[in-house]
Amino acid sequence: GENVEQHPSTLSVQEGDSAVIKCTYSDSASNYFPWYKQELGKRPQLIIDIRSNVGEKKDQRIAVTLNKTAKHFSLHITETQPEDSAVYFCAASMGQAGKSTFGDGTTLTVKP
Amino acid sequence: DGGITQSPKYLFRKEGQNVTLSCEQNLNHDAMYWYRQDPGQGLRLIYYSQIVNDFQKGDIAEGYSVSREKKESFPLTVTSAQKNPTAFYLCASSMVRGSVGYTFGSGTRLTVV
Repeated sequence: GENVEQHPSTLSVQEGDSAVIKCTYSDSASNYFPWYKQELGKRPQLIIDIRSNVGEKKDQRIAVTLNKTAKHFSLHITETQPEDSAVYFCAASMGQAGKSTFGDGTTLTVKP
Repeated sequence: DGGITQSPKYLFRKEGQNVTLSCEQNLNHDAMYWYRQDPGQGLRLIYYSQIVNDFQKGDIAEGYSVSREKKESFPLTVTSAQKNPTAFYLCASSMVRGSVGYTFGSGTRLTVV
């Protein structure tokens, strides 16, 4: 089955700096890669996603890049703010409404 | 709350008991999922269902059971065969057509006492 590895497990940055979280996946058939943000005590929420026919997608301060050849994708957050502090999960899935396999999460702390 | 409701928020189970976690959605989503979240281990798939009266095992199905009698409902039973059930359980739903993200419920924290 699919295996998703996520790095780093913890990340601490100063407010205003950029943060990058990287994930690799094992199954080349995976074609959909969402990212979720989970604030303390709350449910995960979808923040951005990318499909396999796209190399990069941006939404305001967040962007995701995908390298299908290397089977890795990354989340980039620019101009970080304290409210960006949360656990971020990457995931990979295939097919229509395919089940998602999640990475282990990255705890991002943005210091004011 | 957010279209997908999990109850109860907190649940305590005695050794040898079966307990059932509720998940209801009003988003008209076809697919529903149950994940278990443990500290430092991310989300692991227990069961999923893409259509009423059909469901498939995920990666850690042993000791769990589900039913999907209605499109809106996907309850999870944690049986006494699950040896380490203390965890945070998340239910999610999504549309079947196309690759789309999940909408998650607010979770149920199960503790064995």
